[in-house]
Amino acid sequence: EDKVVQSPLSLVVHEGDTVTLNCSYEVTNFRSLLWYKQEKKAPTFLFMLTSSGIEKKSGRLSSILDKKELFSILNITATQTGDSAVYLCAVLSSGGYNKLIFGAGTRLAVHP
Amino acid sequence: KAGVTQTPRYLIKTRGQQVTLSCSPISGHRSVSWYQQTPGQGLQFLFEYFSETQRNKGNFPGRFSGRQFSNSRSEMNVSTLELGDSALYLCASSPQGNQPQHFGDGTRLSIL
Repeated sequence: EDKVVQSPLSLVVHEGDTVTLNCSYEVTNFRSLLWYKQEKKAPTFLFMLTSSGIEKKSGRLSSILDKKELFSILNITATQTGDSAVYLCAVLSSGGYNKLIFGAGTRLAVHP
Repeated sequence: KAGVTQTPRYLIKTRGQQVTLSCSPISGHRSVSWYQQTPGQGLQFLFEYFSETQRNKGNFPGRFSGRQFSNSRSEMNVSTLELGDSALYLCASSPQGNQPQHFGDGTRLSIL
């Protein structure tokens, strides 16, 4: 059965800290891995990764995929209180059309 | 560009009733997927439509159904509502193929 596992499940840090969120997966016919940020409503898209070893960056956020070891990390540097959210990892398999398989999420709390 | 629009935002129903939720995708997006989000199970895939055809269905009972119209708008229907159907129902759209899905704010359904 396809599965996505995120760790840690929750994390509390202070502003300015750097955090690393982990996502491992076991999926048949992997196609891509996506990261989303969810505050109170809609998950908002952060990154889509399809190739190993290529880092994607957006401001203080970056992510990389390792298709050999079947995991991805999401890094957030110089955290701000606005980064407080649930970060979701999801995987797309080639046999499932647009079926995303989600992990349970990592709840990040950034304190001033 | 307008985002994914879901209506209504909130619904309160009683057991045994049925409900219809609506989703208008981003203009030009032909794929619409539905997800159920609960505290216990996280985000789970319900089904996906592309060009009015259901391409994939998640592991949910037949009480959950959907359809897509020629303008790509989609509806999902839940019949004979049960207490366990209380959840946030999220709709996501994407152009096609291996591209990021973008989510609406969801419909929060409460069953009394």
